[in-house]
Amino acid sequence: DTGVSQNPRHKITKRGQNVTFRCDPISEHNRLYWYRQTLGQGPEFLTYFQNEAQLEKSRLLSDRFSAERPKGSFSTLEIQRTEQGDSAMYLCASSFANYAGSTNEKLFFGSGTQLSVL
Amino acid sequence: KQEVTQIPAALSVPEGENLVLNCSFTDSAIYNLQWFRQDPGKGLTSLLLIQSSQREQTSGRLNASLDKSSGRSTLYIAASQPGDSATYLCAVNTGFQKLVFGTGTRLLVSP
Repeated sequence: DTGVSQNPRHKITKRGQNVTFRCDPISEHNRLYWYRQTLGQGPEFLTYFQNEAQLEKSRLLSDRFSAERPKGSFSTLEIQRTEQGDSAMYLCASSFANYAGSTNEKLFFGSGTQLSVL
Repeated sequence: KQEVTQIPAALSVPEGENLVLNCSFTDSAIYNLQWFRQDPGKGLTSLLLIQSSQREQTSGRLNASLDKSSGRSTLYIAASQPGDSATYLCAVNTGFQKLVFGTGTRLLVSP
C-alpha cells in the first residue's frame, strides 16, 4: 500500500528563486489537496482538485503560487519569486469521493515538503 | 469565519492514564469533524471522522464525540501509552473538504 508521496522532503532556496514541489496521491484517489503549515500552527487550506480540475483556491494562494494536476494523477505546486514568508511545510493530501458532492471521505496526507527560504 | 480552538495546548501524563483533549469551533455549519495525529516533522494521520449527523466514533482506545450545537468535540484516549506521544489536531470540514484546523494539543506520555 503506497501512501501519498511528496518530493522533495526538504528544499532550501534563496529569496527570489522559483521552486516546484510534486505530490503523488494514492492511485485510485480522485481528489487532491494542498495545505501549508507553519511552526506551531495547524495546516491551512491552499487549493483542491477534483480529477484534473482545480475547484477551489484559498486567498492565501497569491499570484506567485500555481498548482496543476494535468492528468488527474500527480500534482505540482510552484512558487515563483519566493519570499521568506513562504517558509513552511507544504502538505499534500488525497481522498476518494464516490460521487461529485461527497463531503465525508477521509483525507490521507503525505509527509510534506519543508521549504526554507533564506 | 470559522475558528477552531484546542485546549490544552500541551499535556504531559504518565503512562496508563485516561485523558481528554478538547476542541471547539465557532460555526456549527460543518459537514464533519476529524481528529488527526501528527508526529514531529511528519504528515498527518487521520484517526477518527465524525459526520455532522453523528454523536461519536470509536477506534480502539480512541473515542471522539461531537456536539455540533455547542461547537465542541472531545477526543478521549484510554490507557495512554508512550507511543501515543504526538500532536493531536482537530479539523472541521466547511465544505469541499476545506478543513479548518486548530493549533493542536502536544501530548507527552511518559513511561
